[in-house]
Amino acid sequence: DVKVTQSSRYLVKRTGEKVFLECVQDMDHENMFWYRQDPGLGLRLIYFSYDVKMKEKGDIPEGYSVSREKKERFSLILESASTNQTSMYLCASSRWTSTDTQYFGPGTRLTVL
Amino acid sequence: QKEVEQDPGPLSVPEGAIVSLNCTYSNSAFQYFMWYRQYSRKGPELLMYTYSSGNKEDGRFTAQVDKSSKYISLFIRDSQPSDSATYLCAMSASMNSGGSNYKLTFGKGTLLTVNP
Repeated sequence: DVKVTQSSRYLVKRTGEKVFLECVQDMDHENMFWYRQDPGLGLRLIYFSYDVKMKEKGDIPEGYSVSREKKERFSLILESASTNQTSMYLCASSRWTSTDTQYFGPGTRLTVL
Repeated sequence: QKEVEQDPGPLSVPEGAIVSLNCTYSNSAFQYFMWYRQYSRKGPELLMYTYSSGNKEDGRFTAQVDKSSKYISLFIRDSQPSDSATYLCAMSASMNSGGSNYKLTFGKGTLLTVNP
């Protein structure tokens, strides 16, 4: 069974703090993705990675960075959290082709005060 | 025009009803079409996957793709309260390796409630 796990289900941070969200998958998938999901806006891609140390910007990369030092782990970093980054963050992974299913983690609900 | 349009609902139906969920899209390069189901406070999970035009059936679920109209549908027969969830359509273009071809473009999701 494919498993994508995220480090926290709920997180509360203060404005200006550096925030790390971690995602781990256990299926040796090449591709990993970070999305945020907001009411009325749907799922929006922040960054994705198709190999270790490789990354590409998604649709809304501003204010975020990512790190992929190992194949199974993909981190999302908020350098200086702001209130407009309060959201549900979802990590996903898939095999190398775009036709392969993206498997999602349970999500992290981040609140920035 | 947004790349993918999906009516957000909410949609409320009685148990046993036939449900029709739809998305339209503008990018003629899309070839791979998916439906994800997302229960409250969970991540999305793949429900149906279709390549190009045509129908695909899996139990009570049928996915239809009409590329000429740029329109996809998900039908749920004999709907159950356990089908209550948000349904997201998603699509992607070429399966060539590299770069942005890995991206899925999602609709905003339709919230469905099936009442017992």
